[in-house]
Amino acid sequence: QSVLTQPPSVSGAPGQRVTISCTGSSSNFGAGYDVHWYQQVPGTAPKLLIYGNTNRPSGVPDRFSGSKSGTSASLAITGLQAEDEADYYCQSYDSSLKWVFGRGTKLTVL
Amino acid sequence: QITLKESGPTLVKPTQTLTLTCTFSGFSLTTSGLGVGWIRQPPGKALEWLALIYWNDDKRYSPSLKGRLTITKDTSKNQVVLTMTNMDPVDTATYYCAHPMTNNYLGFDYWGQGTLVTVSS
Repeated sequence: QSVLTQPPSVSGAPGQRVTISCTGSSSNFGAGYDVHWYQQVPGTAPKLLIYGNTNRPSGVPDRFSGSKSGTSASLAITGLQAEDEADYYCQSYDSSLKWVFGRGTKLTVL
Repeated sequence: QITLKESGPTLVKPTQTLTLTCTFSGFSLTTSGLGVGWIRQPPGKALEWLALIYWNDDKRYSPSLKGRLTITKDTSKNQVVLTMTNMDPVDTATYYCAHPMTNNYLGFDYWGQGTLVTVSS
Protein backbone atom coordinates (compact mmCIF):
# COMPACT_ATOMS: atom_id res chain seq x y z
CA GLN A 1 0.00 0.00 0.00
CA SER A 2 1.46 3.31 -1.13
CA VAL A 3 1.76 6.29 1.20
CA LEU A 4 0.41 8.52 -1.58
CA THR A 5 -2.93 7.49 -3.07
CA GLN A 6 -3.71 8.03 -6.75
CA PRO A 7 -6.58 6.76 -8.90
CA PRO A 8 -5.44 3.84 -11.08
CA SER A 9 -6.76 5.41 -14.25
CA VAL A 10 -8.37 8.49 -15.75
CA SER A 11 -9.45 9.23 -19.28
CA GLY A 12 -10.58 12.09 -21.44
CA ALA A 13 -11.23 13.07 -25.01
CA PRO A 14 -8.84 15.28 -26.95
CA GLY A 15 -9.25 18.90 -25.96
CA GLN A 16 -10.82 18.09 -22.61
CA ARG A 17 -9.51 18.78 -19.12
CA VAL A 18 -8.59 16.00 -16.74
CA THR A 19 -7.34 16.01 -13.18
CA ILE A 20 -5.34 13.42 -11.26
CA SER A 21 -5.54 13.44 -7.50
CA CYS A 22 -2.88 12.46 -5.00
CA THR A 23 -3.80 12.06 -1.35
CA GLY A 24 -1.16 12.05 1.34
CA SER A 25 -1.09 12.37 5.10
CA SER A 26 0.18 14.40 8.03
CA SER A 27 3.67 12.92 7.66
CA ASN A 28 4.18 14.15 4.09
CA PHE A 29 1.89 16.80 2.58
CA GLY A 30 0.52 17.76 5.97
CA ALA A 31 4.06 18.25 7.28
CA GLY A 32 4.66 20.84 4.59
CA TYR A 33 6.55 18.75 2.09
CA ASP A 34 6.01 19.56 -1.57
CA VAL A 35 4.46 17.38 -4.23
CA HIS A 36 6.20 16.69 -7.52
CA TRP A 37 4.68 15.08 -10.60
CA TYR A 38 6.31 12.85 -13.20
CA GLN A 39 5.12 11.72 -16.61
CA GLN A 40 6.24 8.30 -17.81
CA VAL A 41 5.60 7.06 -21.30
CA PRO A 42 5.78 3.25 -21.17
CA GLY A 43 9.29 1.97 -21.84
CA THR A 44 10.93 5.28 -20.98
CA ALA A 45 12.28 6.95 -17.85
CA PRO A 46 10.06 9.25 -15.78
CA LYS A 47 10.16 12.91 -16.71
CA LEU A 48 9.71 15.71 -14.18
CA LEU A 49 6.47 17.50 -15.01
CA ILE A 50 5.68 19.69 -11.99
CA TYR A 51 7.93 20.48 -9.02
CA GLY A 52 7.34 22.28 -5.78
CA ASN A 53 3.55 21.85 -6.07
CA THR A 54 2.99 24.31 -8.90
CA ASN A 55 6.17 24.89 -10.89
CA ARG A 56 6.82 23.69 -14.43
CA PRO A 57 10.37 22.89 -15.58
CA SER A 58 11.48 24.59 -18.75
CA GLY A 59 9.87 22.98 -21.78
CA VAL A 60 6.76 21.66 -20.05
CA PRO A 61 3.64 23.13 -21.69
CA ASP A 62 1.42 25.37 -19.59
CA ARG A 63 -1.40 22.91 -20.25
CA PHE A 64 -0.01 21.11 -17.21
CA SER A 65 -0.60 22.62 -13.79
CA GLY A 66 -0.34 21.46 -10.21
CA SER A 67 -1.82 22.38 -6.88
CA LYS A 68 -1.64 21.28 -3.28
CA SER A 69 -3.85 21.98 -0.31
CA GLY A 70 -3.57 20.34 3.08
CA THR A 71 -2.98 16.63 2.60
CA SER A 72 -4.12 16.54 -1.03
CA ALA A 73 -2.62 17.50 -4.35
CA SER A 74 -3.72 17.39 -7.93
CA LEU A 75 -2.40 17.58 -11.45
CA ALA A 76 -4.54 19.17 -14.12
CA ILE A 77 -4.11 18.77 -17.84
CA THR A 78 -6.08 21.03 -20.14
CA GLY A 79 -6.45 20.78 -23.91
CA LEU A 80 -5.77 17.05 -23.75
CA GLN A 81 -3.64 15.72 -26.57
CA ALA A 82 -2.91 12.19 -27.76
CA GLU A 83 0.72 12.60 -26.74
CA ASP A 84 -0.35 13.09 -23.12
CA GLU A 85 -1.27 9.42 -22.88
CA ALA A 86 1.13 8.12 -20.24
CA ASP A 87 1.46 7.13 -16.61
CA TYR A 88 1.60 9.95 -14.07
CA TYR A 89 3.19 9.67 -10.63
CA CYS A 90 3.05 12.01 -7.67
CA GLN A 91 6.01 12.08 -5.29
CA SER A 92 6.81 13.72 -2.00
CA TYR A 93 8.96 13.36 1.09
CA ASP A 94 7.68 11.58 4.16
CA SER A 95 9.11 12.19 7.60
CA SER A 96 9.22 8.44 8.25
CA LEU A 97 9.57 6.81 4.85
CA LYS A 98 11.62 9.56 3.15
CA TRP A 99 11.13 9.79 -0.63
CA VAL A 100 7.73 8.32 -1.54
CA PHE A 101 5.80 7.84 -4.78
CA GLY A 102 2.17 7.23 -5.55
CA ARG A 103 1.13 4.05 -7.35
CA GLY A 104 0.67 5.95 -10.58
CA THR A 105 -2.31 6.90 -12.73
CA LYS A 106 -2.72 5.73 -16.30
CA LEU A 107 -4.11 8.47 -18.52
CA THR A 108 -5.97 7.30 -21.59
CA VAL A 109 -6.82 9.77 -24.33
CA LEU A 110 -10.02 8.52 -25.91
CA GLN B 1 23.74 19.40 -19.38
CA ILE B 2 23.14 16.74 -16.76
CA THR B 3 23.11 13.12 -17.87
CA LEU B 4 23.09 9.88 -15.93
CA LYS B 5 23.47 6.29 -17.09
CA GLU B 6 23.07 3.05 -15.21
CA SER B 7 25.16 -0.05 -15.82
CA GLY B 8 25.33 -3.50 -14.34
CA PRO B 9 24.21 -7.08 -14.85
CA THR B 10 20.94 -7.81 -16.56
CA LEU B 11 20.52 -11.15 -14.82
CA VAL B 12 21.34 -12.20 -11.27
CA LYS B 13 20.57 -15.38 -9.39
CA PRO B 14 18.55 -15.50 -6.18
CA THR B 15 20.65 -14.83 -3.05
CA GLN B 16 23.34 -13.09 -5.10
CA THR B 17 24.43 -9.49 -4.58
CA LEU B 18 23.55 -6.90 -7.22
CA THR B 19 26.01 -4.12 -7.99
CA LEU B 20 24.84 -1.22 -10.13
CA THR B 21 26.87 1.79 -11.24
CA CYS B 22 25.53 5.21 -12.11
CA THR B 23 27.91 7.25 -14.26
CA PHE B 24 26.95 10.89 -14.53
CA SER B 25 28.08 14.10 -16.14
CA GLY B 26 27.18 17.76 -15.96
CA PHE B 27 27.68 18.05 -12.21
CA SER B 28 30.08 16.97 -9.51
CA LEU B 29 29.52 15.31 -6.18
CA THR B 30 32.15 17.59 -4.74
CA THR B 31 29.65 20.45 -5.04
CA SER B 32 27.76 21.32 -1.90
CA GLY B 33 24.11 20.30 -1.92
CA LEU B 34 24.25 17.82 -4.76
CA GLY B 35 23.54 14.10 -4.70
CA VAL B 36 22.49 11.01 -6.64
CA GLY B 37 19.58 8.72 -5.88
CA TRP B 38 18.37 5.30 -6.96
CA ILE B 39 14.77 4.40 -7.76
CA ARG B 40 13.40 1.12 -9.11
CA GLN B 41 10.26 0.02 -10.91
CA PRO B 42 9.12 -3.60 -11.15
CA PRO B 43 7.49 -4.45 -14.49
CA GLY B 44 4.04 -2.88 -14.64
CA LYS B 45 4.33 -1.46 -11.14
CA ALA B 46 5.06 1.81 -9.38
CA LEU B 47 8.28 3.65 -8.72
CA GLU B 48 10.06 2.91 -5.44
CA TRP B 49 12.84 5.03 -3.97
CA LEU B 50 15.82 3.02 -2.74
CA ALA B 51 18.74 5.17 -1.64
CA LEU B 52 20.42 8.55 -2.00
CA ILE B 53 23.92 9.87 -1.36
CA TYR B 54 24.91 13.51 -0.96
CA TRP B 55 28.12 15.39 -1.72
CA ASN B 56 29.15 15.20 1.95
CA ASP B 57 28.73 11.39 2.02
CA ASP B 58 25.41 11.65 3.87
CA LYS B 59 23.53 8.47 2.93
CA ARG B 60 19.80 7.78 3.07
CA TYR B 61 18.13 4.42 2.62
CA SER B 62 14.61 3.15 2.19
CA PRO B 63 13.54 1.88 5.61
CA SER B 64 12.05 -1.27 4.06
CA LEU B 65 15.32 -2.20 2.33
CA LYS B 66 17.90 -0.54 4.54
CA GLY B 67 19.64 -3.71 5.67
CA ARG B 68 20.24 -4.84 2.09
CA LEU B 69 21.44 -1.63 0.48
CA THR B 70 24.77 0.15 0.36
CA ILE B 71 25.38 3.32 -1.63
CA THR B 72 28.83 4.77 -2.26
CA LYS B 73 30.38 7.42 -4.46
CA ASP B 74 33.60 7.82 -6.40
CA THR B 75 33.95 11.52 -7.09
CA SER B 76 37.03 11.06 -9.25
CA LYS B 77 35.06 8.90 -11.66
CA ASN B 78 31.71 10.72 -11.34
CA GLN B 79 30.11 7.46 -10.30
CA VAL B 80 27.71 6.25 -7.64
CA VAL B 81 27.44 2.54 -6.84
CA LEU B 82 24.45 0.77 -5.32
CA THR B 83 24.74 -2.74 -3.95
CA MET B 84 21.76 -4.84 -2.94
CA THR B 85 22.31 -8.12 -1.16
CA ASN B 86 20.28 -11.32 -1.07
CA MET B 87 18.47 -10.71 -4.34
CA ASP B 88 15.06 -12.30 -4.83
CA PRO B 89 12.79 -12.63 -7.87
CA VAL B 90 10.60 -9.84 -6.42
CA ASP B 91 13.59 -7.51 -6.91
CA THR B 92 13.22 -7.86 -10.67
CA ALA B 93 12.84 -4.29 -11.86
CA THR B 94 14.18 -1.45 -13.93
CA TYR B 95 16.66 0.42 -11.76
CA TYR B 96 17.08 4.16 -12.34
CA CYS B 97 19.59 6.60 -10.98
CA ALA B 98 18.49 10.21 -10.74
CA HIS B 99 19.71 13.68 -9.82
CA PRO B 100 17.94 15.24 -6.82
CA MET B 101 16.66 18.76 -7.27
CA THR B 102 18.33 21.55 -5.36
CA ASN B 103 16.77 24.47 -3.47
CA ASN B 104 15.17 22.09 -0.97
CA TYR B 105 12.92 20.49 -3.55
CA LEU B 106 13.00 16.85 -2.48
CA GLY B 107 12.40 15.33 -5.90
CA PHE B 108 14.39 14.30 -8.97
CA ASP B 109 14.86 16.43 -12.06
CA TYR B 110 17.13 14.28 -14.22
CA TRP B 111 16.88 10.53 -14.67
CA GLY B 112 18.98 7.88 -16.33
CA GLN B 113 17.46 5.65 -18.96
CA GLY B 114 17.21 2.76 -16.51
CA THR B 115 18.56 -0.75 -16.55
CA LEU B 116 16.40 -3.86 -16.31
CA VAL B 117 17.61 -6.41 -13.79
CA THR B 118 16.02 -9.84 -13.77
CA VAL B 119 16.42 -12.14 -10.78
CA SER B 120 16.09 -15.76 -11.78
CA SER B 121 17.89 -19.03 -11.33
